[in-house]
Amino acid sequence: GQQLNQSPQSMFIQEGEDVSMNCTSSSIFNTWLWYKQDPGEGPVLLIALYKAGELTSNGRLTAQFGITRKDSFLNISASIPSDVGIYFCAGQGGGSSNTGKLIFGQGTTLQVKP
Amino acid sequence: EPEVTQTPSHQVTQMGQEVILRCVPISNHLYFYWYRQILGQKVEFLVSFYNNEISEKSEIFDDQFSVERPDGSNFTLKIRSTKLEDSAMYFCASSGQGYEKLFFGSGTQLSVL
Repeated sequence: GQQLNQSPQSMFIQEGEDVSMNCTSSSIFNTWLWYKQDPGEGPVLLIALYKAGELTSNGRLTAQFGITRKDSFLNISASIPSDVGIYFCAGQGGGSSNTGKLIFGQGTTLQVKP
Repeated sequence: EPEVTQTPSHQVTQMGQEVILRCVPISNHLYFYWYRQILGQKVEFLVSFYNNEISEKSEIFDDQFSVERPDGSNFTLKIRSTKLEDSAMYFCASSGQGYEKLFFGSGTQLSVL
């Protein structure tokens, strides 16, 4: 089945630094989504990408949908302590699936040192 | 802002017992989902539901699982005879269309003893 490889697995950075994480897949997706999860909470949608090559920003967050439709990255600029959490990429569609099912990456745990 | 609500937030049950997890999706959404997350692992798809029937299910979603939309607002996940390995956080999600953004609830932490 479709799988996503997300890296890095974890990051420990200083407040104010920029952060980059990415996801790759062996198969194509029609949509890429990036979520953030705080402990004991559900994933919260950060950015949704719908077209290959699309670059979208949400405040200090920027994400891109790879041209091959097999990868995506998320950048966080000027990190702050509340950026702490687990970031998940998720791919949707591709193949014969048309149900909205999401395939999640393994997550990137971000820690920010004040 | 509209949100997906789930109850209860925590459920403890004995192995072999039936549990029902409840969700109220966002009101104008048409697609409904259940996902689960075992502690420390990634979020896994269980089932998608549209137009009062299952659209797709994963191999995790075996005969012990069922979903229902009993009225116009609730969406439930039933596990008929729980096993130890069913212990996980269960998330309900909804979307307006199949290819639109999925919004997740805060989850129900299920502990099977």
